[in-house]
Amino acid sequence: QVHLMQSGSEVKKPGASVKVSCKASGYTFIDYYLHWVRQAPGQGLEWMGWINPNSGDTYYVQKFQGRVTMTRDTSISTAYLELNGLRPDDTAAFYCARDFDHLLVFGYWGQGTLVTVSS
Amino acid sequence: SYVLTQQPSVSVAPGKTARITCGGNNIGSKSVHWYQQKPGQAPVLVIHYDSDRPSGVPERFSGSNSGNTATLTISRVEAGDEADYYCQVWDSSSDHRVFGGGTKLTVL
Repeated sequence: QVHLMQSGSEVKKPGASVKVSCKASGYTFIDYYLHWVRQAPGQGLEWMGWINPNSGDTYYVQKFQGRVTMTRDTSISTAYLELNGLRPDDTAAFYCARDFDHLLVFGYWGQGTLVTVSS
Repeated sequence: SYVLTQQPSVSVAPGKTARITCGGNNIGSKSVHWYQQKPGQAPVLVIHYDSDRPSGVPERFSGSNSGNTATLTISRVEAGDEADYYCQVWDSSSDHRVFGGGTKLTVL
């Protein structure tokens, strides 16, 4: 069965960087794009972009361009989200998500990683 | 970019029917997906492609989509249905995945 396991919560100071991981299992890692979704405390879901694990190609929503980097390590079926120049308003839960059977819908989600930015 | 509008909250008594709407310009021409999110948990897909239920989702959950409004209907509401619900579409013009702002369902 498909499973996305994310890394644990992080606490960072303003200006720092954070790297969140998403380890995939139960399917062929390179066959499906992985997406990242942000959710600030008490707020809604916000799609950030995707990575193609096969090619490494990425797409970032304009709002996040310049501060976000999505990468992957195919040898361990893991995708990463790195966010630089952290600000207090970056405090959020970050989810990785995979499409359901190549349909344009998020059928599988990681459990989420809470990143807290505080001095 | 494409905008999806949801009512912030819906309240319903147990056993009654809850209707959660998602508005968007000509949303009937798009495929709408619905997610349920309980506090502290990741979202879970409950309806995809307007009205299809993934395996394991109760038949009480149904969806429709026409004109400028998509609707998630939850029949015979139970206390365990209390959650935030989000609609989502793929906007082909921007190739973006777009979420609505979410609706908090309260079971009275």
